[in-house]
This record gives sequence, C-alpha cells and structure tokens, in this order.
Amino acid sequence: QVQLVQSGAEVRRPGSSVRVSCKASGDSFNNHAITWLRQAPGQGLEWMGRTIAILGIAHYAQKFQGRVTITADKSTNTAYMDLSSLTPEDTAVYYCAASFSKPFDYWGQGTLVTVSS
Amino acid sequence: DIVLTQTPLSLSVTPGQPASISCKSSQSLVHNDGQTYLYWYLQKPGQPPHLLIYEVSNRFSGVPDRFSGSGSGTDFTLKISRVEAEDAGVYYCMQTIQPPLYTFGQGTKLEIK
Repeated sequence: QVQLVQSGAEVRRPGSSVRVSCKASGDSFNNHAITWLRQAPGQGLEWMGRTIAILGIAHYAQKFQGRVTITADKSTNTAYMDLSSLTPEDTAVYYCAASFSKPFDYWGQGTLVTVSS
Repeated sequence: DIVLTQTPLSLSVTPGQPASISCKSSQSLVHNDGQTYLYWYLQKPGQPPHLLIYEVSNRFSGVPDRFSGSGSGTDFTLKISRVEAEDAGVYYCMQTIQPPLYTFGQGTKLEIK
C-alpha cells in the first residue's frame, strides 16, 4: 500500500518562498506522476503542476509559471514543491497526489501554508 | 481550458434517500482513444480527497456499490442510491483529457440531514 507523507505546516512572510516535501513509501514513484494541488480556505481544488521522476520533467499550470518548481529525488522517493514570491492569496492547504493506477489514487495528508505579515 | 460545472453546489439528503450530482463539461471528454476521462472524488471534512469513480462509471477499489457514475460526451452524473451518514463531504468531478492540465468542478457539498 502506497503512503504519501508530507512535511509540516509552514508560516511565511509575503515575498518569501516555501518548500513542501512529499515522501512516498510502499512503492517507488519513479514511473508515476506526482502532482501538486492546493486548496484555499473554503475553496475547491486547484492543479498546480506535476513531475514524473524517471523522465525528469515537470509541467506547470500557467497561473504558477515562474513561481513554482516541482522536483523529485529518486534516491529518497521524495517529491518537492517550491513556491516563491508568496502573497496572502497563497495561503492554502497544499496536497501531493500520486497516480499509480488511476489519476490521484493516492494523496498526502496535506500541508497548511500560511502567508501573513 | 476545459471548464467543469457542477450542480447543485450543495444538497441535503436524508439517510436512505438517493442523491444525484451533475457535472457538465465545456468540451467533450471523449479522447481519440475512445475513452472518456471523467473522474469523481469525495473529500470528507479534514481529509484529502479520495477517488470514487474513474472513466465515468467504474468504481475504484473499495468504493461501495451504492455509488454509480454515468454519462457521455459533456454531461455526467454521480448517483448515490441510498445515502449514508459517512457519505457527507464535498464531491468533485475532474477531467484528464488534456494532460497534464487537469481541471476540477467547483465541488458539491453533501449534507446528511
């Protein structure tokens, strides 16, 4: 059984950056897509981007182009989402989700990122 | 970009009664390969979403058979034959016909009376 465990909650100042990690256990995600999504308070789900570790490529939603970087470390089975130039509008729960047999069939528990001065 | 519109945005159902959620797409979700890439997820309070239905009508592993999906082209429906208390949460449809950019509907909140 695959498990995705994300790093803990973060508080950041506007203009700063944040890194959220997502470690997979139970199976390697090398051949599978790891996607990052976010959910602002009381809002729906927003697709940010994804990576496929074995291919070493990433795709990003246009909204986040230039501000987000998604990477994966095959040796530790850990994916990362870096988001820069934070504003209060980036306050949200950030999820990683893996697509092993179907899209987003496994999810991390979520990481709350709060951006406040 | 494909827009998915769910209706209703909220509904309140008595246990044992049926429930139905609609998801309409701004474009056909039928791929050149003949598959239709429409999915349904449920997000229970305080939890991440989890997959219920894949490719319109297939229940994911462990999903009770009271959940069913149907539809074609641009119009899709999720039905719960007899709602139970554990079904409360927000239901999302999602399309993957334009990888890697996937989009979700706005969500439908199901409340159990």
